[in-house]
Amino acid sequence: AQSVTQLDSHVSVSEGTPVLLRCNYSSSYSPSLFWYVQHPNKGLQLLLKYTSAATLVKGINGFEAEFKKSETSFHLTKPSAHMSDAAEYFCVVTRTGGATNKLIFGTGTLLAVQP
Amino acid sequence: EAGVAQSPRYKIIEKRQSVAFWCNPISGHATLYWYQQILGQGPKLLIQFQNNGVVDDSQLPKDRFSAERLKGVDSTLKIQPAKLEDSAVYLCASSSRSSYNEQFFGPGTRLTVL
Repeated sequence: AQSVTQLDSHVSVSEGTPVLLRCNYSSSYSPSLFWYVQHPNKGLQLLLKYTSAATLVKGINGFEAEFKKSETSFHLTKPSAHMSDAAEYFCVVTRTGGATNKLIFGTGTLLAVQP
Repeated sequence: EAGVAQSPRYKIIEKRQSVAFWCNPISGHATLYWYQQILGQGPKLLIQFQNNGVVDDSQLPKDRFSAERLKGVDSTLKIQPAKLEDSAVYLCASSSRSSYNEQFFGPGTRLTVL
């Protein structure tokens, strides 16, 4: 079975300060992990993905995440928040090389950026 | 390239009525997915198609939900009859063989059942 737990439902940061969105995963198989972002009234957009290559993954808009197998974590970070980063973020797991690539979503973290 | 298209964007119906949603995936994408996203939750897969065949419909409430992808391109998702708890955003996504794990999502259809 696979699952993800997003440890914070809401995170608030000031513009220009670092962002940390936490995600722990559980998987019986070799996992592929993703972060998606959802802006209000818009579709989900892929930020970055880990598929068993480099453990430090860089994504769009300055975001990155590090796969830590020993901690079963895949936290999302950004050095300096921008107002446009305010959105909901989803950590997602799927099975690498599985017959289907069914995505299992976390419950989401709502990021607020204060001026 | 054009993204995943969905219509309508919004729909309000009364319980026990029927409703249908339409999705046109990215051109050439063989795999199509329908997700249900209830407010405050992450999306949940309802059904996955590979071309016009069903790969996974284990979480589709088959007593009231149905979906088809007859020509292996666009797809419709139907609810009949709707219940209050069906109020959600219905997301369509597609993926290609070359980027199997990356799914591209449409803007969704927000359904409100009164």
